[in-house]
Amino acid sequence: GENVEQHPSTLSVQEGDSAVIKCTYSDSASNYFPWYKQELGKRPQLIIDIRSNVGEKKDQRIAVTLNKTAKHFSLHITETQPEDSAVYFCAASLEGSARQLTFGSGTQLTVLP
Amino acid sequence: GAGVSQSPSNKVTEKGKDVELRCDPISGHTALYWYRQSLGQGLEFLIYFQGNSAPDKSGLPSDRFSAERTGGSVSTLTIQRTQQEDSAVYLCASSLVARGVHEQYFGPGTRLTVT
Repeated sequence: GENVEQHPSTLSVQEGDSAVIKCTYSDSASNYFPWYKQELGKRPQLIIDIRSNVGEKKDQRIAVTLNKTAKHFSLHITETQPEDSAVYFCAASLEGSARQLTFGSGTQLTVLP
Repeated sequence: GAGVSQSPSNKVTEKGKDVELRCDPISGHTALYWYRQSLGQGLEFLIYFQGNSAPDKSGLPSDRFSAERTGGSVSTLTIQRTQQEDSAVYLCASSLVARGVHEQYFGPGTRLTVT
């Protein structure tokens, strides 16, 4: 089955700096890679996703890159703000199969004012 | 429209008792998933239902755990003879499985505490 590893487990940055979170996956058939943000005490919410037919996707201050050859994808947050502080989870799946998402272990991001 | 709802929001039970957790998915969503999140940990897959197909139970940690989905909508996760290590937040998610659409929408979770 799929195995997703996520690094780092914790990340602290100064407000305005960039943050990068990295994930690797094991199943080369996986083609859908979402990122979820979970604020303290709240449910995970999708913030961005990427499919294997593209190498990069951007939405305002958030971008995700995918390297299928290396089975590696990353989340980039620029100009970080205190409200970006949360736990971020990457995941991998085979789209269209309704296969469950395999999640990484999460990264606790803290943006220091 | 309403999102995914779960009940109860919190459940405290004594070791050895059975508990039932309920999930109401978004109307029309064909796939329903259960995950477990221990304190400070990631999301552990438990089980998923897709339409009328047999559920994928590969994530259930023991035979004390079971789930059903009635009428393709509401789902109930049952934990028998609860143990302290069952304490966690149980999250339900649903998705509309169609071409190009796969986002999972999560419910608020049920925080289970086994004393």
